[in-house]
Amino acid sequence: DQQVKQNSPSLSVQEGRISILNCDYTNSMFDYFLWYKKYPAEGPTFLISISSIKDKNEDGRFTVFLNKSAKHLSLHIVPSQPGDSAVYFCAASAVNTDKLIFGTGTRLQVFP
Amino acid sequence: SQTIHQWPATLVQPVGSPLSLECTVEGTSNPNLYWYRQAAGRGLQLLFYSVGIGQISSEVPQNLSASRPQDRQFILSSKKLLLSDSGFYLCAWSRTNSGNTIYFGEGSWLTVV
Repeated sequence: DQQVKQNSPSLSVQEGRISILNCDYTNSMFDYFLWYKKYPAEGPTFLISISSIKDKNEDGRFTVFLNKSAKHLSLHIVPSQPGDSAVYFCAASAVNTDKLIFGTGTRLQVFP
Repeated sequence: SQTIHQWPATLVQPVGSPLSLECTVEGTSNPNLYWYRQAAGRGLQLLFYSVGIGQISSEVPQNLSASRPQDRQFILSSKKLLLSDSGFYLCAWSRTNSGNTIYFGEGSWLTVV
């Protein structure tokens, strides 16, 4: 049972435009959500997070939105740059646990 | 600052041979430690996690085992590798009670032939 789902395996966006990556979850006990960026043959790097008490968190070009009623979160990248091309994973954890559950990832390609 | 290292970076092993991947964390004490695997075309699957020395939780039944002989050392092992064990293995750590942000090592490519 996939508790965290990224239904779009890939996304292609023109440089300068907005990239929107989506993530859905099923476990209502999840209270902390994260996005990671991964380049080939490297470990994922932490990008941005949001706790369930918020609906938006912003860090530079990156903004994460959380819709708890829909069990949906999204990552917005504005403006997109070629260096943003990577695989993006969303992850979630439940209250009082030390485990992250990851989605299957979305490959973002930003072209000139 | 905290750092995490794992090795070897790449490994080609025959079916039936043993495996040992090692991971160490520096700059912190009593971290939570994790082993994840990314199989081809799939997401990050949690294999093992540990909240302290000698304390290992296994998430999925498999051909692998993990050990934590020291506070900042985490080892992934197998006695006899299977073809299906091929993948990209990632060690990670987190602070306890930190909101669960975890930080990954560089990863180890394992190819079982």
